[in-house]
Amino acid sequence: SSELTQDPAVSVALGQTVRFTCQGDSLRRYYASWLQQKPGQAPLLVFYGKNNRPSGIPDRFSGSSSGNTASLTITGAQAEDEADYYCYSRDMSGNPAFGGGTKLTVL
Amino acid sequence: QLQLVQSGAEVRRPGASVNVSCKASGYNFIGYYIHWVRQAPGQGLEWMGWVNPNSGVTNYAQNFQGRVTMTRDTSITTAYMELTRLTSDDTAVYYCARESLEYDNSGFFSTWFDPWGQGTLVTVSS
Repeated sequence: SSELTQDPAVSVALGQTVRFTCQGDSLRRYYASWLQQKPGQAPLLVFYGKNNRPSGIPDRFSGSSSGNTASLTITGAQAEDEADYYCYSRDMSGNPAFGGGTKLTVL
Repeated sequence: QLQLVQSGAEVRRPGASVNVSCKASGYNFIGYYIHWVRQAPGQGLEWMGWVNPNSGVTNYAQNFQGRVTMTRDTSITTAYMELTRLTSDDTAVYYCARESLEYDNSGFFSTWFDPWGQGTLVTVSS
């Protein structure tokens, strides 16, 4: 079982806002990073740290953190955002840990 | 161009071993840990371990202790992951990824994986 908990699935209407959450005690001292994975592709980093978006990632992707919960928000979801989203950080032992992933459906 | 390029797909019999390579380019190879992550069909991401390319020191996830060996060759900026005593449960796509990390002045620790290799499908079948 994962020490980072994500909702298994979420859906959003095209152009609307969707938020993914990631919960875990270790998030009180570690920022989460967020990965997008489309079918048949390697994961892609979309957000990391306190407020960092890699080059080439649209600014509709944003992140935040509060207490034991990290969030990734897509403001104005597009069809191409349909994918699995994973949070990543460390567990309480300091070892790398992934959330179970959230499948996003864009309606 | 910052990238990790992995070796091609492999098919193995149960009980065999597999060795996957990960060629790094576009950055200082010894400055960043290389992690290995696998993904079984239809499943999530599973962390396997890391190798410090500078020292060769490794850290393996408990699930893989005794079966996995991670090494590197700094002369050709390549990391390797060998997994032994394969079973059908090891059928998965195996990824390498470069880790970056930093502390901010509020005491928070950031860690992220970028880039990722393209993945190597390992199929274990009799």
